[in-house]
Amino acid sequence: DADVTQTPRNRITKTGKRIMLECSQTKGHDRMYWYRQDPGLGLRLIYYSFDVKDINKGEISDGYSVSRQAQAKFSLSLESAIPNQTALYFCATSDLRVDTQYFGPGTRLTVL
Amino acid sequence: AQSVAQPEDQVNVAEGNPLTVKCTYSVSGNPYLFWYVQYPNRGLQFLLKYITGDNLVKGSYGFEAEFNKSQTSFHLKKPSALVSDSALYFCAAFSGGYNKLIFGAGTRLAVHP
Repeated sequence: DADVTQTPRNRITKTGKRIMLECSQTKGHDRMYWYRQDPGLGLRLIYYSFDVKDINKGEISDGYSVSRQAQAKFSLSLESAIPNQTALYFCATSDLRVDTQYFGPGTRLTVL
Repeated sequence: AQSVAQPEDQVNVAEGNPLTVKCTYSVSGNPYLFWYVQYPNRGLQFLLKYITGDNLVKGSYGFEAEFNKSQTSFHLKKPSALVSDSALYFCAAFSGGYNKLIFGAGTRLAVHP
């Protein structure tokens, strides 16, 4: 969905490096999410934010941090990347509490 | 525990035949259920959702899903499969207690000519 963009689309990095993944949206949604996709595990929630001042941990937040710089921007950081953080990362947005989430194209991260 | 199960890793269907992708859920409260599709190198795209009302929900690309409360199921269906339907399909349920979507592991649909 072109309304939700992620940068970079692909990233290869080394163990111990700090990495930031960025997400921007033009849908005007308050709610934003970061997920991680691993084969056979579906999507797992890392962090979510219901507005600029409301940030919450998801089920697998250890080793990650986030920043909600504005309503339209939500960044995910890996403070010290490790190989088991190799995965496909998705950002998503939604308008209401129980509503359709709209996903970005994903960032494929490889940690060597 | 809140969970969504997709019991089949892969479903193989011949083009033109009906398809079913299975999903069962275990969430507290009234279930809010979703189906998403993921094409290669793309993000997830919304197909359809059940919030309340008619148990048969119609969505994008000719897909529909049937909510069955007694069986806690929300199977995705299409009367006539297309090769272009080949993709990874995810079922998801909103967990009010945890305030988040819970995803199944995904089912890969392969439609053969």
